[in-house]
Amino acid sequence: EVQLVESGGGLVQPGGSLRLSCAASGFTFSSYWMQWVRQAPGKGLVWVSRINSDGSSTTYADSVKGRFTISRDNAKNTLYLQMNSLRAEDTAVYYCAREGAVAGSPLDSWGQGTLVTVSS
Amino acid sequence: SYELTQPPSVSVSPGQTASITCSGDKLGDKYACWYQQNPGQSPVLVIYQDTKRPSGIPERFSGSNSGNTATLTISGTQAMDEADYYCQAWDSGTVVFGGGTKLTVL
Repeated sequence: EVQLVESGGGLVQPGGSLRLSCAASGFTFSSYWMQWVRQAPGKGLVWVSRINSDGSSTTYADSVKGRFTISRDNAKNTLYLQMNSLRAEDTAVYYCAREGAVAGSPLDSWGQGTLVTVSS
Repeated sequence: SYELTQPPSVSVSPGQTASITCSGDKLGDKYACWYQQNPGQSPVLVIYQDTKRPSGIPERFSGSNSGNTATLTISGTQAMDEADYYCQAWDSGTVVFGGGTKLTVL
């Protein structure tokens, strides 16, 4: 069974940093592209970032470019999101999600999410 | 940037057919998929590649995509189908979501 478990969320002050982790199990993690998607309270889904299977290629939404860094450790089956210079508008539940078997596939598995709150 | 537009809300009576639309420029030239999200839960893929259902998704869920509009159709809607639904497509290597539609079964 595919499992994605996020951790690392919490309360952080504006301008602060946080690193999210997503532990994957039940599939060959190193074969899949992975994504981060966020959802502000009461709002819709918003794509954040994407990384290819070996970590050599990354893309970001304009709203986080230059502040967030996606990475992965295939030996540890773990996806990361380093978030710096956090703003109030970054407050959201952050989900990690797996792309399907072929790059450009839909997001076929999602974690339970971890809440990030940016507030003083 | 590419945008997908959904109606904020759709209402349907139990047992009737619900249709949720998703509009985007030449969306029919791309693959569309749909996610269901219940309150406090993670999204679940219910339709991919316009018309396909993942394993475990009931047959009452179906999809279509042509021109500028993709449509999620739920036949014989049940109370358990009340949820938020999001369409999604790919544009220039990035994921794009619609704004979401709250389906109310009443």
